[in-house]
Amino acid sequence: AQRVTQPEKLLSVFKGAPVELKCNYSYSGSPELFWYVQYSRQRLQLLLRHISRESIKGFTADLNKGETSFHLKKPFAQEEDSAMYYCALRAGGSEKLVFGKGTKLTVNP
Amino acid sequence: GAVVSQHPSWVICKSGTSVKIECRSLDFQATTMFWYRQFPKQSLMLMATSNEGSKATYEQGVEKDKFLINHASLTLSTLTVTSAHPEDSSFYICSADRGGAWNTEAFFGQGTRLTVV
Repeated sequence: AQRVTQPEKLLSVFKGAPVELKCNYSYSGSPELFWYVQYSRQRLQLLLRHISRESIKGFTADLNKGETSFHLKKPFAQEEDSAMYYCALRAGGSEKLVFGKGTKLTVNP
Repeated sequence: GAVVSQHPSWVICKSGTSVKIECRSLDFQATTMFWYRQFPKQSLMLMATSNEGSKATYEQGVEKDKFLINHASLTLSTLTVTSAHPEDSSFYICSADRGGAWNTEAFFGQGTRLTVV
């Protein structure tokens, strides 16, 4: 069975500091990995996916198959980055998304 | 971007009654929609996959007779919580996938807060 682990429930950093939200997964095949973000009082929305290899709002994430990780990084956090971040996995051939428990990021001024 | 809308956003009902939640894809067609449940400070738990024109596929441990799903058209799926009890109080979220094989993206509704009293 697929599993996504986000070890940090809460993460607090100061504005301008680097931030890394950890995500590890368990899946024997080739997964699709995503980061979703939920800002206060807003719906869940896609932040980025490993396939596109792009930087969104300054965030990047690299799939490391050896470590089965997909950590989300940003070199200089901004206050507007404060939100809930969910890592998610889609197994090959499946339509279902499996979510981690989420990390609440707070960026302090 | 694509929009998925849920209605109602919140509902309070009496124990023993049934509640219907609608999920609509407003600007695209979705043959498959998903229903999630989210407990406070916890992750989204997939309840079922709603398939247009066929029966829903329920996840293990989800009572299909209690959580009735109907996907009658390519833009509408409904979740009916039957004989609701206080333990059914939760945040219910739907999503619909849009895109092709390589760029499928899930779009989420705003969620429905159900409180059973």
